[in-house]
Amino acid sequence: DTEVTQTPKHLVMGMTNKKSLKCEQHMGHRAMYWYKQKAKKPPELMFVYSYEKLSINESVPSRFSPECPNSSLLNLHLHALQPEDSALYLCASSPTAGPTGGELFFGEGSRLTVL
Amino acid sequence: SQKIEQNSEALNIQEGKTATLTCNYTNYSPAYLQWYRQDPGRGPVFLLLIRENEKEKRKERLKVTFDTTLKQSLFHITASQPADSATYLCALRTGGFKTIFGAGTRLFVKA
Repeated sequence: DTEVTQTPKHLVMGMTNKKSLKCEQHMGHRAMYWYKQKAKKPPELMFVYSYEKLSINESVPSRFSPECPNSSLLNLHLHALQPEDSALYLCASSPTAGPTGGELFFGEGSRLTVL
Repeated sequence: SQKIEQNSEALNIQEGKTATLTCNYTNYSPAYLQWYRQDPGRGPVFLLLIRENEKEKRKERLKVTFDTTLKQSLFHITASQPADSATYLCALRTGGFKTIFGAGTRLFVKA
């Protein structure tokens, strides 16, 4: 079982809805990540938090809003999404965020469908 | 531009044989390279990490090589089993905070 927990596992939302994806880890990792993965494609980096501060935003549209309330939690707030945003959203953590920060520990993902 | 290339075609092998997957990259100078396994609809699972000053790393039936001159890594699964069937992703950690993934190679092991 993964030590990174993501909820919900499945989410269906309309284009006018506001929803959130949640991620939690208790491994003491100081870096947390959001990736987006479409079918048969590699995970694409969206955001990186290091020590609870946003370090990287890969030019993600503002309809995706990340939040890191504390070192164990990572949220992704969703608003006014488009059908093309439907994908598997993966949360990951690593001990640190630097070049030698180690492997990524992924959650099982949240499957998002935008109608 | 920076690229990570893995064989996009699926690899079909017979149980008991050795599977060899290839990862090539361009325009990167990675601190290290990683391999992950991903099953359908699930998050990737870390398998092995190899640093730029290491030539080879082993873990049970898995072996990874890393040639920084050729900019290539090979991933081997010996004595393959049907349970090894999955997509295998190569990933590079860049100088910053990013881990970038290749598109993966789908492996099918037939009993």
